[in-house]
Amino acid sequence: AQKVTQAQTEISVVEKEDVTLDCVYETRDTTYYLFWYKQPPSGELVFLIRRNSFDEQNEISGRYSWNFQKSTSSFNFTITASQVVDSAVYFCALSGLGLYNFNKFYFGSGTKLNVKP
Amino acid sequence: KAGVTQTPRYLIKTRGQQVTLSCSPISGHRSVSWYQQTPGQGLQFLFEYFSETQRNKGNFPGRFSGRQFSNSRSEMNVSTLELGDSALYLCASSSGLAEPSSYNEQFFGPGTRLTVL
Repeated sequence: AQKVTQAQTEISVVEKEDVTLDCVYETRDTTYYLFWYKQPPSGELVFLIRRNSFDEQNEISGRYSWNFQKSTSSFNFTITASQVVDSAVYFCALSGLGLYNFNKFYFGSGTKLNVKP
Repeated sequence: KAGVTQTPRYLIKTRGQQVTLSCSPISGHRSVSWYQQTPGQGLQFLFEYFSETQRNKGNFPGRFSGRQFSNSRSEMNVSTLELGDSALYLCASSSGLAEPSSYNEQFFGPGTRLTVL
Protein backbone atom coordinates (compact mmCIF):
# COMPACT_ATOMS: atom_id res chain seq x y z
CA ALA A 1 0.00 0.00 0.00
CA GLN A 2 1.10 3.53 -0.66
CA LYS A 3 1.16 5.92 2.25
CA VAL A 4 2.70 9.27 3.08
CA THR A 5 3.02 10.52 6.64
CA GLN A 6 3.66 14.09 7.65
CA ALA A 7 3.71 13.93 11.41
CA GLN A 8 4.04 17.67 11.94
CA THR A 9 0.58 19.16 11.75
CA GLU A 10 1.62 22.74 12.33
CA ILE A 11 4.92 24.53 12.84
CA SER A 12 5.46 28.12 13.90
CA VAL A 13 8.78 29.87 13.48
CA VAL A 14 10.05 33.40 13.56
CA GLU A 15 11.27 34.93 10.34
CA LYS A 16 14.86 34.03 9.41
CA GLU A 17 14.77 30.78 11.34
CA ASP A 18 15.48 27.53 9.49
CA VAL A 19 12.70 24.96 9.46
CA THR A 20 12.51 21.32 8.36
CA LEU A 21 9.32 19.64 7.29
CA ASP A 22 9.34 15.87 7.64
CA CYS A 23 7.93 13.34 5.20
CA VAL A 24 7.97 9.56 5.57
CA TYR A 25 6.55 7.31 2.91
CA GLU A 26 5.62 3.67 2.41
CA THR A 27 5.50 1.87 -0.90
CA ARG A 28 6.09 -1.60 -2.26
CA ASP A 29 7.13 -0.19 -5.63
CA THR A 30 10.80 -0.16 -6.48
CA THR A 31 10.30 2.79 -8.78
CA TYR A 32 8.36 5.80 -7.64
CA TYR A 33 8.33 9.58 -7.50
CA LEU A 34 8.18 11.89 -4.53
CA PHE A 35 6.97 15.47 -4.58
CA TRP A 36 6.55 18.53 -2.46
CA TYR A 37 3.75 21.00 -3.10
CA LYS A 38 2.94 24.30 -1.44
CA GLN A 39 -0.64 25.36 -0.90
CA PRO A 40 -1.11 29.04 -0.10
CA PRO A 41 -4.46 30.29 1.26
CA SER A 42 -5.73 30.70 -2.30
CA GLY A 43 -5.90 26.90 -2.51
CA GLU A 44 -3.91 26.16 -5.63
CA LEU A 45 -1.18 23.56 -5.24
CA VAL A 46 2.18 24.90 -6.32
CA PHE A 47 4.80 22.40 -7.43
CA LEU A 48 8.14 22.65 -5.61
CA ILE A 49 10.14 19.56 -6.44
CA ARG A 50 10.01 16.08 -7.92
CA ARG A 51 12.45 13.32 -7.08
CA ASN A 52 12.55 9.82 -8.52
CA SER A 53 13.54 6.79 -6.50
CA PHE A 54 16.75 6.29 -8.46
CA ASP A 55 18.16 9.62 -7.46
CA GLU A 56 19.12 10.06 -3.84
CA GLN A 57 21.13 13.20 -4.35
CA ASN A 58 20.07 16.06 -2.19
CA GLU A 59 18.86 19.15 -3.98
CA ILE A 60 19.10 22.80 -3.20
CA SER A 61 17.11 25.56 -4.84
CA GLY A 62 17.71 28.95 -3.32
CA ARG A 63 16.49 28.81 0.28
CA TYR A 64 14.90 25.41 -0.26
CA SER A 65 16.65 22.08 0.11
CA TRP A 66 15.50 18.48 0.11
CA ASN A 67 17.00 15.43 1.74
CA PHE A 68 15.93 12.09 0.22
CA GLN A 69 16.98 8.95 2.11
CA LYS A 70 15.68 5.64 0.81
CA SER A 71 17.11 3.78 3.80
CA THR A 72 14.69 5.57 6.10
CA SER A 73 11.97 6.20 3.49
CA SER A 74 12.13 9.89 4.15
CA PHE A 75 12.03 12.96 1.95
CA ASN A 76 12.47 15.99 4.17
CA PHE A 77 12.22 19.61 3.13
CA THR A 78 14.21 22.43 4.70
CA ILE A 79 13.60 26.13 4.32
CA THR A 80 16.59 28.24 5.25
CA ALA A 81 16.10 31.75 6.57
CA SER A 82 12.32 31.49 6.45
CA GLN A 83 10.22 34.42 5.32
CA VAL A 84 6.63 35.41 6.00
CA VAL A 85 5.77 34.55 2.37
CA ASP A 86 6.69 30.94 3.14
CA SER A 87 3.61 30.64 5.32
CA ALA A 88 1.43 28.00 3.71
CA VAL A 89 0.48 24.35 3.95
CA TYR A 90 3.11 22.03 2.51
CA PHE A 91 2.26 18.62 1.15
CA CYS A 92 4.49 15.68 0.43
CA ALA A 93 3.18 13.24 -2.18
CA LEU A 94 4.05 9.87 -3.67
CA SER A 95 3.31 8.50 -7.13
CA GLY A 96 4.07 5.17 -8.71
CA LEU A 97 4.82 4.45 -12.32
CA GLY A 98 2.95 2.24 -14.72
CA LEU A 99 -0.30 2.67 -16.51
CA TYR A 100 -2.54 2.24 -13.47
CA ASN A 101 -0.52 4.57 -11.27
CA PHE A 102 -0.34 7.46 -13.65
CA ASN A 103 -1.25 10.76 -12.12
CA LYS A 104 -2.51 9.06 -8.98
CA PHE A 105 -0.86 10.92 -6.16
CA TYR A 106 -0.91 9.84 -2.54
CA PHE A 107 -0.65 12.93 -0.41
CA GLY A 108 0.41 13.34 3.19
CA SER A 109 -1.87 15.23 5.53
CA GLY A 110 0.14 18.41 5.15
CA THR A 111 2.15 20.61 7.47
CA LYS A 112 0.95 24.13 8.10
CA LEU A 113 3.90 26.48 8.38
CA ASN A 114 3.42 29.82 10.13
CA VAL A 115 6.29 32.24 9.75
CA LYS A 116 5.93 35.20 12.06
CA PRO A 117 7.68 38.53 11.45
CA LYS B 1 0.33 29.20 -21.74
CA ALA B 2 -2.91 29.41 -19.80
CA GLY B 3 -3.05 27.31 -16.66
CA VAL B 4 -5.66 24.88 -15.46
CA THR B 5 -9.03 26.51 -14.98
CA GLN B 6 -11.87 25.29 -12.83
CA THR B 7 -15.43 26.54 -12.75
CA PRO B 8 -17.20 27.53 -10.70
CA ARG B 9 -14.80 28.57 -7.97
CA TYR B 10 -17.44 28.46 -5.26
CA LEU B 11 -20.67 26.54 -5.01
CA ILE B 12 -23.34 26.11 -2.37
CA LYS B 13 -25.77 23.22 -2.59
CA THR B 14 -28.17 21.47 -0.28
CA ARG B 15 -28.26 17.82 0.70
CA GLY B 16 -29.74 15.55 -1.92
CA GLN B 17 -28.94 17.82 -4.84
CA GLN B 18 -26.42 17.01 -7.51
CA VAL B 19 -23.54 19.13 -8.74
CA THR B 20 -21.28 19.30 -11.77
CA LEU B 21 -17.81 20.79 -11.66
CA SER B 22 -15.73 21.64 -14.69
CA CYS B 23 -12.00 21.54 -15.37
CA SER B 24 -10.20 22.81 -18.45
CA PRO B 25 -6.65 21.47 -18.68
CA ILE B 26 -3.62 23.17 -20.07
CA SER B 27 -3.70 23.26 -23.86
CA GLY B 28 -2.24 20.05 -25.26
CA HIS B 29 -2.68 18.07 -22.06
CA ARG B 30 -4.78 14.94 -22.41
CA SER B 31 -4.96 13.78 -18.81
CA VAL B 32 -7.13 15.23 -16.08
CA SER B 33 -7.11 13.99 -12.49
CA TRP B 34 -9.54 14.97 -9.74
CA TYR B 35 -8.85 15.22 -6.03
CA GLN B 36 -11.03 15.94 -3.02
CA GLN B 37 -9.55 17.92 -0.14
CA THR B 38 -11.26 17.92 3.25
CA PRO B 39 -9.93 18.85 6.70
CA GLY B 40 -10.56 15.33 7.95
CA GLN B 41 -9.38 13.15 5.07
CA GLY B 42 -6.89 15.46 3.43
CA LEU B 43 -6.21 15.21 -0.29
CA GLN B 44 -7.66 12.09 -1.85
CA PHE B 45 -7.53 10.91 -5.43
CA LEU B 46 -10.91 10.56 -7.11
CA PHE B 47 -10.17 9.51 -10.69
CA GLU B 48 -8.12 10.23 -13.78
CA TYR B 49 -9.26 10.59 -17.36
CA PHE B 50 -7.11 10.26 -20.43
CA SER B 51 -8.39 10.67 -23.96
CA GLU B 52 -12.02 10.47 -22.83
CA THR B 53 -11.50 7.23 -20.88
CA GLN B 54 -11.32 6.74 -17.15
CA ARG B 55 -7.90 5.21 -16.63
CA ASN B 56 -7.68 5.13 -12.87
CA LYS B 57 -9.95 5.63 -9.92
CA GLY B 58 -9.76 6.01 -6.16
CA ASN B 59 -12.00 4.66 -3.43
CA PHE B 60 -15.06 6.82 -3.66
CA PRO B 61 -18.72 5.75 -3.89
CA GLY B 62 -20.52 5.62 -7.20
CA ARG B 63 -22.15 8.97 -6.48
CA PHE B 64 -18.91 10.47 -7.73
CA SER B 65 -18.51 10.23 -11.47
CA GLY B 66 -16.76 12.04 -14.21
CA ARG B 67 -16.24 12.31 -17.89
CA GLN B 68 -13.86 13.83 -20.35
CA PHE B 69 -14.67 15.41 -23.67
CA SER B 70 -12.79 15.25 -26.94
CA ASN B 71 -11.19 18.64 -26.20
CA SER B 72 -9.83 17.16 -22.91
CA ARG B 73 -12.09 19.26 -20.74
CA SER B 74 -13.42 17.22 -17.87
CA GLU B 75 -16.47 17.36 -15.67
CA MET B 76 -17.02 15.78 -12.31
CA ASN B 77 -20.50 15.02 -11.03
CA VAL B 78 -21.63 14.27 -7.51
CA SER B 79 -25.19 13.05 -7.10
CA THR B 80 -27.29 12.96 -3.95
CA LEU B 81 -25.01 15.33 -2.09
CA GLU B 82 -24.17 14.67 1.54
CA LEU B 83 -22.82 17.07 4.13
CA GLY B 84 -19.52 15.22 4.03
CA ASP B 85 -19.07 16.10 0.37
CA SER B 86 -18.26 19.67 1.38
CA ALA B 87 -14.69 20.06 0.21
CA LEU B 88 -12.24 21.73 -2.10
CA TYR B 89 -12.20 19.82 -5.37
CA LEU B 90 -8.95 20.14 -7.26
CA CYS B 91 -8.21 19.03 -10.75
CA ALA B 92 -4.80 18.54 -12.26
CA SER B 93 -3.74 18.23 -15.85
CA SER B 94 -0.78 16.54 -17.44
CA SER B 95 0.33 15.29 -20.79
CA GLY B 96 -0.67 11.79 -19.76
CA LEU B 97 1.96 10.13 -21.88
CA ALA B 98 1.81 6.39 -21.48
CA GLU B 99 5.46 5.40 -21.55
CA PRO B 100 6.09 3.45 -18.34
CA SER B 101 9.36 5.14 -17.65
CA SER B 102 8.22 8.67 -18.22
CA TYR B 103 6.91 11.07 -15.70
CA ASN B 104 3.83 13.19 -16.10
CA GLU B 105 4.09 16.38 -14.14
CA GLN B 106 0.71 17.47 -12.86
CA PHE B 107 -0.37 21.09 -12.84
CA PHE B 108 -3.16 21.90 -10.42
CA GLY B 109 -6.04 24.29 -10.85
CA PRO B 110 -7.31 26.71 -8.17
CA GLY B 111 -10.08 24.35 -7.12
CA THR B 112 -13.83 24.54 -6.65
CA ARG B 113 -14.98 24.97 -3.07
CA LEU B 114 -18.23 23.10 -2.60
CA THR B 115 -20.37 23.68 0.47
CA VAL B 116 -23.26 21.35 1.15
CA LEU B 117 -25.92 22.67 3.56
